[in-house]
Amino acid sequence: GENVEQHPSTLSVQEGDSAVIKCTYSDSASNYFPWYKQELGKRPQLIIDIRSNVGEKKDQRIAVTLNKTAKHFSLHITETQPEDSAVYFCAASRSGYSTLTFGKGTMLLVSP
Amino acid sequence: GAVVSQHPSWVICKSGTSVKIECRSLDFQATTMFWYRQFPKQSLMLMATSNEGSKATYEQGVEKDKFLINHASLTLSTLTVTSAHPEDSSFYICSARRTGAGETQYFGPGTRLLVL
Repeated sequence: GENVEQHPSTLSVQEGDSAVIKCTYSDSASNYFPWYKQELGKRPQLIIDIRSNVGEKKDQRIAVTLNKTAKHFSLHITETQPEDSAVYFCAASRSGYSTLTFGKGTMLLVSP
Repeated sequence: GAVVSQHPSWVICKSGTSVKIECRSLDFQATTMFWYRQFPKQSLMLMATSNEGSKATYEQGVEKDKFLINHASLTLSTLTVTSAHPEDSSFYICSARRTGAGETQYFGPGTRLLVL
C-alpha cells in the first residue's frame, strides 16, 4: 500500500518568513495530492491540491510543487501570518482508488 | 458548498454502552464517505470506507463488528461503536466525497468520544 512520509514534524517561523513542508510517497500510481490544514480541535480543511498532470499550483500565498520522478511534493507558504499556525497534513491517493493516505502532520507555529 | 456535519460533537458514555455518530453531507450527495480516528497529536487513521447501499470496507485491524457502519442514504452515514471501552476514547472524524466530482474529501467537525 501507499506510504507517505512528511517532514518536518514541527516548524517554527517568524511572521513574514516562508515555510516549506515536504512529503514523499511510495506508490508510483498515486496521482492526487491534497494538503489539509487542521487547527486544534477542528476539522481538517483542504487548502490546496495537485494532480500528477501538473508540476506546480499556486493560490495566493500557498503553492504546491510535485516531482513525480522523485515521488515527492511540497507545500510552500509565503509571507506567513500567525493565523497560519496549525497542523498541516499531506496526503496521496490514486484516482479510482479513493482512499487517502495521510502523512503524520507538521505543526507550524508562526510567531508575531 | 461542500459542508459536512457530525453529531454529536462530543459524547461521554459508560463502558459497555453503544454510541452512534452521524455524518451528514448538507449540500451535496455523497456516495462514498470515510470514517477516521485521530489520537492526540497524531495523524488521521482511516477506519473504513462507507458506500451508499452496500457494505463498508474496513481497513486492516479494524473490527467490523465493533465499529458498525451504515450508509443508508446519499447524505448520511452512521458509525456505531458497540460495547465501548476506555480504549475506544478518541476523536472520530468523517469525510465525504461529492458524487461524481473527483477525489476531494470534505471533513466533518469530528466527534470526541470519552468512555469512562
